[in-house]
Amino acid sequence: NAGVMQNPRHLVRRRGQEARLRCSPMKGHSHVYWYRQLPEEGLKFMVYLQKENIIDESGMPKERFSAEFPKEGPSILRIQQVVRGDSAAYFCASSWGGLQGTEAFFGQGTRLTVV
Amino acid sequence: SQQGEEDPQALSIQEGENATMNCSYKTSINNLQWYRQNSGRGLVHLILIRSNEREKHSGRLRVTLDTSKKSSSLLITASRAADTASYFCATALIQGAQKLVFGQGTRLTINP
Repeated sequence: NAGVMQNPRHLVRRRGQEARLRCSPMKGHSHVYWYRQLPEEGLKFMVYLQKENIIDESGMPKERFSAEFPKEGPSILRIQQVVRGDSAAYFCASSWGGLQGTEAFFGQGTRLTVV
Repeated sequence: SQQGEEDPQALSIQEGENATMNCSYKTSINNLQWYRQNSGRGLVHLILIRSNEREKHSGRLRVTLDTSKKSSSLLITASRAADTASYFCATALIQGAQKLVFGQGTRLTINP
């Protein structure tokens, strides 16, 4: 049973380009969470999705950022018109059920560098 | 404000010693989870402790939870160089949001 898979592991984008980050949850998991981590800091919640639904996007910037988790395929975090401040590690986690009862498993992250 | 706050922010000990890290939180929780992160890597889940539990063990790890003080501790016994990493506590809240709220982490260094 493969763990949470994120790709790419490293992504370099020029300012103004788009970044697309992919996350395939663990088999059987229908809950996906995206987090952002700046150097030397903890993880900051961005968005929580279930299949075809955004449940909580309270941590997502209002502009340029969007996320989806389609019926088929991986979850996608999309950042339009990237700026230098978007440079960070983006982690995806998945869980079998809600976090009231189960643990979340994290992927290795995508390190985004905006130049 | 941060839900979880780890203490200390950094800890350096000799191999073989025990390492204790603390986590405090503000609002009522359903459970608290500890994670390890090696430099430049993803997070590895260590232990989940529920709000009705007081102590939990996993190998050389011992986690305690005191809901009256809104605090938890992670003890690593007989530390090894491979334990060098950042350790984070994360809380799953009772009310509403289905998300983990992370603290800033404790950077643990085990000196050989």
